[in-house]
Amino acid sequence: AQSVTQPDIHITVSEGASLELRCNYSYGATPYLFWYVQSPGQGLQLLLKYFSGDTLVQGIKGFEAEFKRSQSSFNLRKPSVHWSDAAEYFCAVGQMKTSYDKVIFGPGTSLSVIP
Amino acid sequence: GAGVSQSPSNKVTEKGKDVELRCDPISGHTALYWYRQSLGQGLEFLIYFQGNSAPDKSGLPSDRFSAERTGGSVSTLTIQRTQQEDSAVYLCASSLFSSERGGLNTGELFFGEGSRLTVL
Repeated sequence: AQSVTQPDIHITVSEGASLELRCNYSYGATPYLFWYVQSPGQGLQLLLKYFSGDTLVQGIKGFEAEFKRSQSSFNLRKPSVHWSDAAEYFCAVGQMKTSYDKVIFGPGTSLSVIP
Repeated sequence: GAGVSQSPSNKVTEKGKDVELRCDPISGHTALYWYRQSLGQGLEFLIYFQGNSAPDKSGLPSDRFSAERTGGSVSTLTIQRTQQEDSAVYLCASSLFSSERGGLNTGELFFGEGSRLTVL
């Protein structure tokens, strides 16, 4: 069965500092991977996704993520964090079969940004 | 519609009562998901629909939970005899099924704003 872990429950960074949020997955085949963000009082929004090809994917708001098959990881990065990036971040893995799709989410990482 | 619509946005009920939560997905999206988000928790997968059928009900917490989808569109999540531990935000999402995507926009889930359920 597929699963997703996000080792960091909460991270605090200073505005302007770099950011890396970790995500590890367990899945028997090549997964489809996603990062979603949930800002306070807002719905979930897709940041970026990986399906195939280039293992470094670019997303919205200056975020990027790198798929590393050997480490079963899909870490999210941003070179310079803005105060508006404070939110909950969820990594997700997709199990895309011909019969049905299923997307499982990790527990989330809460990001706080210090001015 | 333009986005995924969920109703009610807030529901307060007494323990033991039944509740129904409604999800209206984006028009044309054949895949529909229900998740539960408890305070400070991640998204717990409940059930997935492909059209009107539910190939995966593995996440439903107990037999008090059921869901249906009619006409390949609107879905209703029903919780019978609610308990305090059912209090959470119930999120619905829709997407295009993989074989329909044509390689574009593969797998993105579009979420509604959620239904916040409080069981007293």
